[in-house]
Amino acid sequence: KNQVEQSPQSLIILEGKNCTLQCNYTVSPFSNLRWYKQDTGRGPVSLTIMTFSENTKSNGRYTATLDADTKQSSLHITASQLSDSASYICVVRGGGGSYIPTFGRGTSLIVHP
Amino acid sequence: NAGVTQTPKFQVLKTGQSMTLQCAQDMNHEYMSWYRQDPGMGLRLIHYSVGAGITDQGEVPNGYNVSRSTTEDFPLRLLSAAPSQTSVYFCASSPYDRGSSGELFFGEGSRLTVL
Repeated sequence: KNQVEQSPQSLIILEGKNCTLQCNYTVSPFSNLRWYKQDTGRGPVSLTIMTFSENTKSNGRYTATLDADTKQSSLHITASQLSDSASYICVVRGGGGSYIPTFGRGTSLIVHP
Repeated sequence: NAGVTQTPKFQVLKTGQSMTLQCAQDMNHEYMSWYRQDPGMGLRLIHYSVGAGITDQGEVPNGYNVSRSTTEDFPLRLLSAAPSQTSVYFCASSPYDRGSSGELFFGEGSRLTVL
């Protein structure tokens, strides 16, 4: 069964600090992995996509990594801001004609001033 | 840009009542889906559709019906609401073709409480 596991479940950091969120998956064959950000009371929005050939990709203060061999991804947030407080969801899409993505349960990040 | 529009945003029902959550998208996406989000459970797929006239069940379909008569609309029906259906519901759409990366575009959610 395809699974996506995220850790930690929740995280509290001080403004200005860095943090790293983890995502492990068992989806096979693999097509791509997306990180979504979900602000409280809003729908998730895509932050970045990682494909099989990509190891690192940055989007402003967000940097995603992918190790397709170990089936692990991380999302690193640099110099956190209060607006980074949100839930971060890892979503993996399989290949081979399987279109339905597999969702992780998310990491809830709280940034304190 | 409207994107994905869900209505209503909030709804309170009594056990046994029926209702329909509306979802409309203006991006001409073939793929549309409904999720429910509960604390600690993440987003779980209820039903999905890959085009007009085509629907299929997701992970948690019991108690819900869907139909897809047009590309734009994908309503979710609760035939006899139960307290276990208290949740936040999200509709999402995406392109459905080999060249697409499958980015999901979500609505703002519908918060349903069943008493």
